[in-house]
Amino acid sequence: TQLLEQSPQFLSIQEGENLTVYCNSSSVFSSLQWYRQEPGEGPVLLVTVVTGGEVKKLKRLTFQFGDARKDSSLHITAAQPGDTGLYLCAGSGGGADGLTFGKGTHLIIQP
Amino acid sequence: ETGVTQTPRHLVMGMTNKKSLKCEQHLGHNAMYWYKQSAKKPLELMFVYSLEERVENNSVPSRFSPECPNSSHLFLHLHTLQPEDSALYLCASSFLGPAGYEQYFGPGTRLTVT
Repeated sequence: TQLLEQSPQFLSIQEGENLTVYCNSSSVFSSLQWYRQEPGEGPVLLVTVVTGGEVKKLKRLTFQFGDARKDSSLHITAAQPGDTGLYLCAGSGGGADGLTFGKGTHLIIQP
Repeated sequence: ETGVTQTPRHLVMGMTNKKSLKCEQHLGHNAMYWYKQSAKKPLELMFVYSLEERVENNSVPSRFSPECPNSSHLFLHLHTLQPEDSALYLCASSFLGPAGYEQYFGPGTRLTVT
């Protein structure tokens, strides 16, 4: 069974600070996705990483896929209240496989 | 309509009721999924349909019955549910191809079983 461990589970910081969220597994994934979910809504895809060592940037968000394709991180620079939400990482084995999700990181950015 | 839509958004049902959840995708995808999201647990994959054929059901109780009449529509038929089945039920779709791993989610149906 593939498992994804996310840390921290909860994070509350002040506006303007930087933060990093981690997603780790003992399994290799063909790709890994990061989603953001608002209360009462479905997850919204932020990014997909495919190649080991890949780094993708989305404005103030930086995503990295580990060299061995077993782990990933999300770094947010100068966090803003609009970044508040549940961040989920999800691994794919490829094809029609469903995604394996971590439990998520609840992020609160205080003004 | 764009993306993935789900109806109803909220549903309250008794343990003896029969109801159905509906999902429709407007993305031209050829695979659809049902997930269950409960408090303090990771999203759990329930069913996968690829090209309208079910490919995985992950030992879901028979009180949940999926139906995929075509590549754009997915249903989840519910009967004789238990209170522990209360959760957010999410539908997703993807395109199966060389890069077929990005799934797009609907807003979910919040189900409460009384």
